[in-house]
Amino acid sequence: DIVMTQSPDSLAVSLGERATINCKSSQSVLFTSTNEHHLAWYQHKVGRPPRLLIYGASTRGSGVPDRFSGSGSGTEFTLTISSLQAEDVAVYYCQQYHNTRHTFGPGTKLEI
Amino acid sequence: QVQLVESGGGVVQPGQSLRLSCAASGFTFRSFGMHWVRQAPDKGLEWVAVIWYDGSNIFYAESVEGRFTISRDNSKNTLYLYMTHLRAEDTATYYCARAGGDGDYWASDWGQGTLVTVSS
Repeated sequence: DIVMTQSPDSLAVSLGERATINCKSSQSVLFTSTNEHHLAWYQHKVGRPPRLLIYGASTRGSGVPDRFSGSGSGTEFTLTISSLQAEDVAVYYCQQYHNTRHTFGPGTKLEI
Repeated sequence: QVQLVESGGGVVQPGQSLRLSCAASGFTFRSFGMHWVRQAPDKGLEWVAVIWYDGSNIFYAESVEGRFTISRDNSKNTLYLYMTHLRAEDTATYYCARAGGDGDYWASDWGQGTLVTVSS
């Protein structure tokens, strides 16, 4: 299975500041036929279901604010929140869907 | 809009079985792959299984393979997860999620979840 790691485990950022979360996969998640990375990011708030933020490493999901952006390639990826809002407090997960056994990272807890 | 409503959770003893259901609406169910994802108390998300739009391909996490069976009834717009030989470590909130396409893509839309507790 592809192992996903994230850093940091937790992060405290001031309102309006930038938040950056990193994700690494144990092997490449690049689908060479389409040159797309099979990497997604999710936001999970307490008491709510997870929400898709990013797929294909950099494509925002439907209705996701443009302060959320994804980047990276190969085995290293980043989720950036450009200007933190109070409602962004959550745990953030990366996930690979390249392998038939999809795997999540351990999560990064984001606080104000 | 997309709606996914899980049901069937509850308290069961170790070794017993349970079937979860996920009723889908607001989209063409038969055209999308579907996932089950779980979260144990105070733990992170764990992907459980995926089934392609037509049931032609099915994949499981190693932790549940051989014990859990994912299936779907496209005539009823319903996804299922049949869980057998349940263990304490299967205790979790189980979410169904629509895939981003007809196969095993990202999880684009999620249900509210149903809680399964395995305890003697």
